[in-house]
Amino acid sequence: GAVVSQHPSWVICKSGTSVKIECRSLDFQATTMFWYRQFPKQSLMLMATSNEGSKATYEQGVEKDKFLINHASLTLSTLTVTSAHPEDSSFYICSARAPGLVTDTQYFGPGTRLTVL
Amino acid sequence: AQTVTQSQPEMSVQEAETVTLSCTYDTSESDYYLFWYKQPPSRQMILVIRQEAYKQQNATENRFSVNFQKAAKSFSLKISDSQLGDAAMYFCAYRSAHFGNEKLTFGTGTRLTIIP
Repeated sequence: GAVVSQHPSWVICKSGTSVKIECRSLDFQATTMFWYRQFPKQSLMLMATSNEGSKATYEQGVEKDKFLINHASLTLSTLTVTSAHPEDSSFYICSARAPGLVTDTQYFGPGTRLTVL
Repeated sequence: AQTVTQSQPEMSVQEAETVTLSCTYDTSESDYYLFWYKQPPSRQMILVIRQEAYKQQNATENRFSVNFQKAAKSFSLKISDSQLGDAAMYFCAYRSAHFGNEKLTFGTGTRLTIIP
């Protein structure tokens, strides 16, 4: 149980275009999802916390107009990188927590590698 | 704000031997959770072990155990009988127990190499 998927696993796009990344909880309902960014050989940096049916809470320094997060259902959160630029190239990871499971544990997706040309 | 420090960027251990990864943290809270996550080359984050701060007993999961020293704010991970599949980045993480503050704060990670 507690499986989280991400799609796509790898995406290449041209500078100036927008890219949407999906995060799904497959066997549980996730009231809260988290989006992280990881640069090569570095740790995970939290970008935002997404609660179902409400606006996401962004960490300091993260541009909310550039990284649009939507958590429209209890099993799906999306991250849209708008007007992507090469500096947005990174590894994006989502995680989810759910009531009823071990509520203090986050379950992670496999990540999405974004390359902006 | 809470911080998590992993002072060992890289560690190596002979297969079947025991290795300990260090983690310290800083917090003013009394109730929280601590985690060790493993990130193999696939980059999938895998939960290794978790510890509730209110529990004095150290958590264990098969070959993995922790040494939780609350007063010293230390949370080390011991891997016994190391196996080739244990090779990965290991991240220590902190989470407040306060409702509405579930975000994880990660350390910088320790890369563990297993020597055959």
